[in-house]
Amino acid sequence: SQQGEEDPQALSIQEGENATMNCSYKTSINNLQWYRQNSGRGLVHLILIRSNEREKHSGRLRVTLDTSKKSSSLLITASRAADTASYFCAAPQGGKLIFGQGTELSVKP
Amino acid sequence: GAVVSQHPSWVICKSGTSVKIECRSLDFQATTMFWYRQFPKQSLMLMATSNEGSKATYEQGVEKDKFLINHASLTLSTLTVTSAHPEDSSFYICSARDREARLEAFFGQGTRLTVV
Repeated sequence: SQQGEEDPQALSIQEGENATMNCSYKTSINNLQWYRQNSGRGLVHLILIRSNEREKHSGRLRVTLDTSKKSSSLLITASRAADTASYFCAAPQGGKLIFGQGTELSVKP
Repeated sequence: GAVVSQHPSWVICKSGTSVKIECRSLDFQATTMFWYRQFPKQSLMLMATSNEGSKATYEQGVEKDKFLINHASLTLSTLTVTSAHPEDSSFYICSARDREARLEAFFGQGTRLTVV
């Protein structure tokens, strides 16, 4: 079963704009992770936010977590064409990592 | 560090044949490996969890006789798709967790299986 639901399913923006993706999950979590997948490739870990954290930054990435609403968001600032990929949130569930539906981001140069 | 290598990256096979996909942790010992299946433009669906030296735990709805998983060493897990059919065509991805039990997962590059 999917742990997370993401929106939007697809997002198309111009280079330089910011991209925001949202993730909602169902059960209590210890942490929430965001991954990136280029077309036809494996996943790359981007950032992890623990349940006692509200916000975390890594370069152009900013992640927020609201445990009361069971939701998280990933913000990519000053987007680049190379950011074009699918982005997934994932949360551990019983030792397994369960993924959200993903957001397909397209950044046009 | 924390590199996971998956091989082959793509394979085409005939219906009825079996295909083996390898997942290796190159610079760490993977006590647990996970196998996922991904359909086009969809998310990753967990198929099974394998622990070194023990039988894999399959998710509900995944046929264990169809998808044979072996995790014989701390650096290698294999997924064998037996008697493959066109509906088994998909993208298969492995991930590994190391002894240090770091919270993030490390993924292989994925294998595109096409059954004709």
